[in-house]
Amino acid sequence: GQNIDQPTEMTATEGAIVQINCTYQTSGFNGLFWYQQHAGEAPTFLSYNVLDGLEEKGRFSSFLSRSKGYSYLLLKELQMKDSASYLCAFWDSNYQLIWGAGTKLIIKP
Amino acid sequence: DGGITQSPKYLFRKEGQNVTLSCEQNLNHDAMYWYRQDPGQGLRLIYYSQIVNDFQKGDIAEGYSVSREKKESFPLTVTSAQKNPTAFYLCASSISGEVFQPQHFGDGTRLSIL
Repeated sequence: GQNIDQPTEMTATEGAIVQINCTYQTSGFNGLFWYQQHAGEAPTFLSYNVLDGLEEKGRFSSFLSRSKGYSYLLLKELQMKDSASYLCAFWDSNYQLIWGAGTKLIIKP
Repeated sequence: DGGITQSPKYLFRKEGQNVTLSCEQNLNHDAMYWYRQDPGQGLRLIYYSQIVNDFQKGDIAEGYSVSREKKESFPLTVTSAQKNPTAFYLCASSISGEVFQPQHFGDGTRLSIL
């Protein structure tokens, strides 16, 4: 079977660094996306990883280890506007996008 | 500005009624998708279309129907056969159905039962 798991909620402090983990199990893998979703709004694309390693985009970085079925999203210099849900999703061998339930990130001053 | 427009933002359905959610995109994308989002769950695929006049069922197509008569438009009808329609519905599009192409989302329609 296949599944994807990420923590339900995390809390961090403004200006700090936070790492949001995503683990998955699948017989076939074709890449992993991270999206940000503010409450009641559309998800917006953050990153795509298909090869192992770290992809950096400004304050946000995403890491992938295919052998471990593991990815993380790293957010640096946290701002209050980063309070949102963060969704990971992977393409399986049938080219279906499998979504995690999302991690709600709460930023405190 | 290019984007995806979903309407209405809020919709109420009476028992036994069919309702249609609109999704229009001016991004010239070939592929379009409909998802349902419920609290505590990942997005679930209802239907997708990679080309005009063609569409495929996703994981939870029962009680829903779609059409793709124009490249820009992919309306979703929630029929009376869908017994638990209360959810947040998201429409998305991508340049093509290729795995490396990100999906871009509309602002969603929140459907509730009267």
